[in-house]
Amino acid sequence: DGGITQSPKYLFRKEGQNVTLSCEQNLNHDAMYWYRQDPGQGLRLIYYSQIVNDFQKGDIAEGYSVSREKKESFPLTVTSAQKNPTAFYLCASRPTSTSYTDTQYFGPGTRLTVL
Amino acid sequence: RKEVEQDPGPFNVPEGATVAFNCTYSNSASQSFFWYRQDCRKEPKLLMSVYSSGNEDGRFTAQLNRASQYISLLIRDSKLSDSATYLCVVIRMNRDDKIIFGKGTRLHILP
Repeated sequence: DGGITQSPKYLFRKEGQNVTLSCEQNLNHDAMYWYRQDPGQGLRLIYYSQIVNDFQKGDIAEGYSVSREKKESFPLTVTSAQKNPTAFYLCASRPTSTSYTDTQYFGPGTRLTVL
Repeated sequence: RKEVEQDPGPFNVPEGATVAFNCTYSNSASQSFFWYRQDCRKEPKLLMSVYSSGNEDGRFTAQLNRASQYISLLIRDSKLSDSATYLCVVIRMNRDDKIIFGKGTRLHILP
């Protein structure tokens, strides 16, 4: 089955600890994205990567870090510098092309709670 | 002005009714348009693409009005299972391929 997987589904951490969220895709998509969603709010872009070994900051990158060592994987680290990390984190991927029909597909998300 | 705007709702609609909502965008360079559906505590899922010629999929119809810079979603014969938040997405297909999500419109179908 082709798709995007995120693990774990629920994650609890103590304040001050770094935590890494996993995102894997087997869709052969070039681009991958991380979003954060707070209750009743829209999606906010944290980081994105359009090609292996390259990534760019989104609108709210402070307190987060990413890596893109493999096409299939785009892990997100929530560092202790992130002031309000409790949120729903969504990973997405998209083929990089000029086709106007290509859009993003999302993983099931990780709900992070910092205690 | 926000680049993509939606009425947050909620729209409370009786089962079987027809409901429509719009999404406006401000950048005329926008080229691709989509509607996503998001259920509570789940990920957004692609509902349908929006083409200039209109797009129909069963009870759902999406339209694009480039002159007035908005897209619309019409749901006919609404079902209880249509209750969700509907997000519009606009993509600018240039060097940065910027993807902008609206904040969503909440729809509640009432029995």
